[in-house]
Amino acid sequence: GQQLNQSPQSMFIQEGEDVSMNCTSSSIFNTWLWYKQDPGEGPVLLIALYKAGELTSNGRLTAQFGITRKDSFLNISASIPSDVGIYFCAGQVQGAQKLVFGQGTRLTINP
Amino acid sequence: ETGVTQSPTHLIKTRGQQVTLRCSSQSGHNTVSWYQQALGQGPQFIFQYYREEENGRGNFPPRFSGLQFPNYSSELNVNALELDDSALYLCASSRTDGIQYFGAGTRLSVL
Repeated sequence: GQQLNQSPQSMFIQEGEDVSMNCTSSSIFNTWLWYKQDPGEGPVLLIALYKAGELTSNGRLTAQFGITRKDSFLNISASIPSDVGIYFCAGQVQGAQKLVFGQGTRLTINP
Repeated sequence: ETGVTQSPTHLIKTRGQQVTLRCSSQSGHNTVSWYQQALGQGPQFIFQYYREEENGRGNFPPRFSGLQFPNYSSELNVNALELDDSALYLCASSRTDGIQYFGAGTRLSVL
């Protein structure tokens, strides 16, 4: 099935470091979403983006909707242990029912 | 918590059997979407239900079917189970064209 290209696939960082991950697509999306999934749980919405160029923050998280509408970025500043998990980007075309997900970025933090 | 509840949490079936998974949507949400998440992958869209009718379908065979009830809860039915159907099945509820909020999922193992 269709998937977005998300990178990196995994990250191993020290507590307190900043994190950057991105998501690219060959198709244009009208909405970009970032979710976090913990083991045994469903994805939890972190940030939703609706306009090209939009930059939105949620606490230590900042995400951007790429100008081309074909990419999005998520940054986490000053990482803490509870940031561990898998981060997914998802794109949605206006009027379409489905979300198209990336393969995920697994974040591991060394204390 | 998102208010989306799924049951059962875990399920073990054998090849060829049939299974029914259930989802209760968040209060105020009228749309339910189902996704299949294989191990190490992002969720893949199966279908969406709105006003008790299928409202969009991903690349899944007809043995994957669903229902939505007047209270907006939903069922996912899978017939003639195959080994590759082993996955986490996620339900997401939303308002019409709104953000999708996920439940914790049902882990299905097919032996």
